[in-house]
Amino acid sequence: DAGITQSPRHKVTETGTPVTLRCHQTENHRYMYWYRQDPGHGLRLIHYSYGVKDTDKGEVSDGYSVSRSKTEDFLLTLESATSSQTSVYFCAISDEGGPYEQFFGPGTRLTVL
Amino acid sequence: QKEVEQNSGPLSVPEGAIASLNCTYSDRGSQSFFWYRQYSGKSPELIMSIYSNGDKEDGRFTAQLNKASQYVSLLIRDSQPSDSATYLCAVNIGYSTLTFGKGTMLLVSP
Repeated sequence: DAGITQSPRHKVTETGTPVTLRCHQTENHRYMYWYRQDPGHGLRLIHYSYGVKDTDKGEVSDGYSVSRSKTEDFLLTLESATSSQTSVYFCAISDEGGPYEQFFGPGTRLTVL
Repeated sequence: QKEVEQNSGPLSVPEGAIASLNCTYSDRGSQSFFWYRQYSGKSPELIMSIYSNGDKEDGRFTAQLNKASQYVSLLIRDSQPSDSATYLCAVNIGYSTLTFGKGTMLLVSP
């Protein structure tokens, strides 16, 4: 998985609780991304980062926030989890200068009851 | 709205046959094109990249790009049961993000 780890790998939580997912890379790549994958929707971009403390929204960012205080770590936070956020979450990285091919982490399966 | 379209499948082929997976995209400014393979319960794995019109071969895989028709395809020769997976097409239009299709499920029967 190209030096990318995600934690936790599985999580079950209750509606209304905060949840933080962590992505850690050892590749020193500039760009990091958070996706969710759901049946019938494919991979959808939640947020991405183009450098330390530089982030931007993707197509499904409502209800999610991110932070990147170090090159190697990108955190995804669900401030108040809802059942609609039950999904598999993937982190990906890519290097600067194009063509922006992305490499994915192993994923986190999140269930919100 | 940038779109990447793929037939959801499943595409069923017998072992040893050629599997042909297709993808169309809406943005004429698209510059880079990628194919990912995703096994059930696993993360997407990059298997092919193509940037210019024509064919690019890597082992049993051939990627084909036709920018005029806004069409990219992936051919898998001598298909094996281990090729059974979902194949995702992804397109970059010049920024640092990719747009993914929903994927085509390929089933290779022994």
